[in-house]
Amino acid sequence: AQSVTQLDSHVSVSEGTPVLLRCNYSSSYSPSLFWYVQHPNKGLQLLLKYTSAATLVKGINGFEAEFKKSETSFHLTKPSAHMSDAAEYFCVVSEGNTGFQKLVFGTGTRLLVSP
Amino acid sequence: DGGITQSPKYLFRKEGQNVTLSCEQNLNHDAMYWYRQDPGQGLRLIYYSQIVNDFQKGDIAEGYSVSREKKESFPLTVTSAQKNPTAFYLCASSRGLGGNSPLHFGNGTRLTVT
Repeated sequence: AQSVTQLDSHVSVSEGTPVLLRCNYSSSYSPSLFWYVQHPNKGLQLLLKYTSAATLVKGINGFEAEFKKSETSFHLTKPSAHMSDAAEYFCVVSEGNTGFQKLVFGTGTRLLVSP
Repeated sequence: DGGITQSPKYLFRKEGQNVTLSCEQNLNHDAMYWYRQDPGQGLRLIYYSQIVNDFQKGDIAEGYSVSREKKESFPLTVTSAQKNPTAFYLCASSRGLGGNSPLHFGNGTRLTVT
């Protein structure tokens, strides 16, 4: 069965410094991987997705993630944090491209951005 | 603009009462989902539906019920049998059920049962 581990429950950065949110996955097959962002008391918004095309995936708001099969990782990065990036981020794995889209969510990483 | 509307945003109920959470979408998506979110946990799937008049149990369906009489609507009822109903409930939709169909989420309903 697939699973996903977000290695940090909280990450604190200063505005203008790089962001790294770590995610490792376990999957029996070639997975689809997603990062979603959630602002307080809101729904989740898709940041980016990997579906076996290019291993470096660019998303919205300057975020990107690199799929590394050998390390079973899909870490999310951004070169320069902005105050508006403060939110909770979820790494999600989905197995297969047909049938029911069974998604497994990580437990989330809360990103704190200080001035 | 297309999107998913969940109402109400906050809901308070007494223990033992059933309560229904509304979810409406105008994205023309076939698939709809209900998730539950608790602090420090990822989202857990309650029910999903891929077409009208059809729905399937997710991982934590006990104490919940749904209906899908219209493509646009997927209401969730939290029954008195749900032992720990206080949570943040999120409705989502997608064009299909495959791995290439990202989910679109509503803004959630926060249910408090006392």
